[in-house]
Amino acid sequence: AQSVTQPDIHITVSEGASLELRCNYSYGATPYLFWYVQSPGQGLQLLLKYFSGDTLVQGIKGFEAEFKRSQSSFNLRKPSVHWSDAAEYFCAVATTSGTYKYIFGTGTRLKVLA
Amino acid sequence: KAGVTQTPRYLIKTRGQQVTLSCSPISGHRSVSWYQQTPGQGLQFLFEYFSETQRNKGNFPGRFSGRQFSNSRSEMNVSTLELGDSALYLCASSPNRASNTGELFFGEGSRLTVL
Repeated sequence: AQSVTQPDIHITVSEGASLELRCNYSYGATPYLFWYVQSPGQGLQLLLKYFSGDTLVQGIKGFEAEFKRSQSSFNLRKPSVHWSDAAEYFCAVATTSGTYKYIFGTGTRLKVLA
Repeated sequence: KAGVTQTPRYLIKTRGQQVTLSCSPISGHRSVSWYQQTPGQGLQFLFEYFSETQRNKGNFPGRFSGRQFSNSRSEMNVSTLELGDSALYLCASSPNRASNTGELFFGEGSRLTVL
């Protein structure tokens, strides 16, 4: 069955430090891949997406993610974190064959220290 | 362009009652999906509607139902509420079938508390 794993429930980084949030998926083919961010009391906002082509994708707010087929991973990175990046981050995959499914990971809550 | 609008934003119900939540998608969007978000469980897919037809359904009991109107607005209903139904219910819209575009546009959610 398809699944998405975000192994880190909580991550704390200092402002200005680099960030990497991990995401692994299980799916027989190459899915569509997404990262969403959710600020407190808000809905989810798309940060970036990967459909095909260049495996390094750029998103909004200075985020990027790299698709690694061999590792079934789609990790999110940011070189320098800002206090406003504190939020919950969700990785998601959408299946590309058979019955369409959009599956979210359980999220990683990011805390930023001043 | 207005975003996805969900009403009510907050509500409190007691066990056994029923609740109806509403979602107005972005103008021109024809697909509406619903998700239940709870701590530790993440987002669980409830159903997707497109052109007034349910196209996909998640693994929820029959107490959870929905519909979509001709103007693409959608409602979901939960009958015989249980404590475990307390959650943030998120609606997301997309221009066509979610499978065609990938990206979902989310509302701010309706937070349901069941006492």
